[in-house]
Amino acid sequence: KQEVTQIPAALSVPEGENLVLNCSFTDSAIYNLQWFRQDPGKGLTSLLLIQSSQREQTSGRLNASLDKSSGRSTLYIAASQPGDSATYLCAVVDDYKLSFGAGTTVTVRA
Amino acid sequence: DAGVIQSPRHEVTEMGQEVTLRCKLISGHNSLFWYRQTMMRGLELLIYFNNNVPIDDSGMPEDRFSAKMPNASFSTLKIQPSEPRDSAVYFCASSSGLNYGYTFGSGTRLTVV
Repeated sequence: KQEVTQIPAALSVPEGENLVLNCSFTDSAIYNLQWFRQDPGKGLTSLLLIQSSQREQTSGRLNASLDKSSGRSTLYIAASQPGDSATYLCAVVDDYKLSFGAGTTVTVRA
Repeated sequence: DAGVIQSPRHEVTEMGQEVTLRCKLISGHNSLFWYRQTMMRGLELLIYFNNNVPIDDSGMPEDRFSAKMPNASFSTLKIQPSEPRDSAVYFCASSSGLNYGYTFGSGTRLTVV
C-alpha cells in the first residue's frame, strides 16, 4: 500500500522567505504526482502536476521537483506572501487513484 | 468550464436520516472519484468509477453507503441511515486520464447530529 508522508506538518515564515515543502512516498511505481493547495473550509486547488518521466514543473513562483527513484518530491515557493498561507497536499497516482499525504500547513507572517 | 460541481455545499441532518450528495463532472472526463476528508484520517478514497462503471468500492465504509453514476456527467453518494461518525467533508473529483491530473469539487460539508 502506498504511504505518502509530508514534512513538516506545519511551517511559519516571515513574508518574503522561500518555502520548501517535502513529500515522500514508499512505492516508486507511480504515474504522476500532483501538488494541491487547500484553504480553510475550501476544496482542493491543483497547483502542479509532474509526470513520472519528468524531473520538475514550474508555474510562476512555484517549482516542484520529482525524484521517483528515491520516492521524493519537493515544492518550492519563492518569495512567500501572506496569500500563500494554506495547507499544501501532495498526492501520488499509482494504478488509478490518488494517495494523499496529511499536508503541510503554511503560515506566512506579514 | 465550470469545473466539478458539488451540491449541497453544507448539509446538516439528524441521525438516521437519508443523505444524498451530488456531483457533476467536467464535460469529457470519464473517471469519477468520491473522497472523504476528516481531521483524523485525512483524505480517503471511497469509490472510483470509470466510464460510469464502479471499478473500486473497497473504500466505502459499510453497506449504509452507496454510489451511483446514472450517466456520464453525474454521480450521487447516498448514506442511509446516516450516523454522527459520517460527519466529514465529501469531495468528488474527475479526470480525463492518468496523465491529466485530477480536478476536485468544492466539497459537501456533512454534519450528522
